[in-house]
Amino acid sequence: KQEVTQIPAALSVPEGENLVLNCSFTDSAIYNLQWFRQDPGKGLTSLLLIQSSQREQTSGRLNASLDKSSGRSTLYIAASQPGDSATYLCAVQANFNKFYFGSGTKLNVKP
Amino acid sequence: NAGVTQTPKFQVLKTGQSMTLQCAQDMNHNSMYWYRQDPGMGLRLIYYSASEGTTDKGEVPNGYNVSRLNKREFSLRLESAAPSQTSVYFCASSPWGSSSYEQYFGPGTRLTVT
Repeated sequence: KQEVTQIPAALSVPEGENLVLNCSFTDSAIYNLQWFRQDPGKGLTSLLLIQSSQREQTSGRLNASLDKSSGRSTLYIAASQPGDSATYLCAVQANFNKFYFGSGTKLNVKP
Repeated sequence: NAGVTQTPKFQVLKTGQSMTLQCAQDMNHNSMYWYRQDPGMGLRLIYYSASEGTTDKGEVPNGYNVSRLNKREFSLRLESAAPSQTSVYFCASSPWGSSSYEQYFGPGTRLTVT
């Protein structure tokens, strides 16, 4: 069974710092990998989706990379802001009905 | 364009009671999903619907039933609620079959079973 791990579980950084969140998965047979943001008490907001044939995706200050062979993805956040504070989840889709979520990294950006 | 909407936002049930969680999407997506999110367990798929008229079990279907009423609506029913079903429930939709498989989530329903 696919296992998705996110390290660290929590991260606290000062405002303005560039940071990297990590996601690893055990089976490289995936359709895609998606990064989400979840604010407390809220639903998941899609940030970036990387298809299995792609290496990276960018949106504003966010950049996500995918290395299927090593089973890793990173989410790079540039010039972090307090508004970036949230839990970040990664999910791999192995088939139409096979989704595997990590437990998330809780990010706190201090003013 | 409201995206994915869910009702109710909060619910408290007593053991043995039944209820239906409602979900609707206005993005014309073919596929819809129900998840539950528990601390330390991540999100787990309960049921999914590939298209209107079809439904199938996910990873944790026991104790639940679903109905894909039409392309827009996908409901989740708890016939006899148990404390183990205390969780946050999310509905999601996806344009599976097109060029993008991105999932879009609703705001969630927080369910407590006492």
